[in-house]
Amino acid sequence: DGGITQSPKYLFRKEGQNVTLSCEQNLNHDAMYWYRQDPGQGLRLIYYSQIVNDFQKGDIAEGYSVSREKKESFPLTVTSAQKNPTAFYLCASSVPGASGANVLTFGAGSRLTVL
Amino acid sequence: AQRVTQPEKLLSVFKGAPVELKCNYSYSGSPELFWYVQYSRQRLQLLLRHISRESIKGFTADLNKGETSFHLKKPFAQEEDSAMYYCALSGWTGNQFYFGTGTSLTVIP
Repeated sequence: DGGITQSPKYLFRKEGQNVTLSCEQNLNHDAMYWYRQDPGQGLRLIYYSQIVNDFQKGDIAEGYSVSREKKESFPLTVTSAQKNPTAFYLCASSVPGASGANVLTFGAGSRLTVL
Repeated sequence: AQRVTQPEKLLSVFKGAPVELKCNYSYSGSPELFWYVQYSRQRLQLLLRHISRESIKGFTADLNKGETSFHLKKPFAQEEDSAMYYCALSGWTGNQFYFGTGTSLTVIP
């Protein structure tokens, strides 16, 4: 189905290793986001990008890095500096709605487990 | 600072009973408020937003600026309403979103 594709769905990593989560969208949306979802903590913003070659830190950017070389792609790297990387990661994109307020479209998520 | 508060982590109601999921916010400006829903084994998706003043799947939400609340209501809960509900706020730039911690709603048959 079209929309946002995240891969892999499940990922296991050893401590000290970097891992990259893929996020691709075919919606022609300008803005893309990465959220981390933990039980009882809701969604917390890691990074977002409003246009190609530009991105901004969110509330919990430490230990993560992103790139936005193409409009349709916004990969997230979880580095070994992230102290508690085991989580469910959600990618989203948005386009301004008729009222001006953006509406988020989400991917299915990637579950990262650090062993 | 922007903050969205959902005081109830878990909420259970009987089928046919009214349901209200609470959301309070703090924001120094005029925010846009949303409710997103995640059904079992499905993606997180938009349920409704205050600017549209619409009713989706029987749910409504009214923005009360005086009480800084955006509670989600439905007069008669259905089993298919069982899901995780997130209240969200978008700032004036339209590009940053802040989510509450979510409320897991269970509708008991």
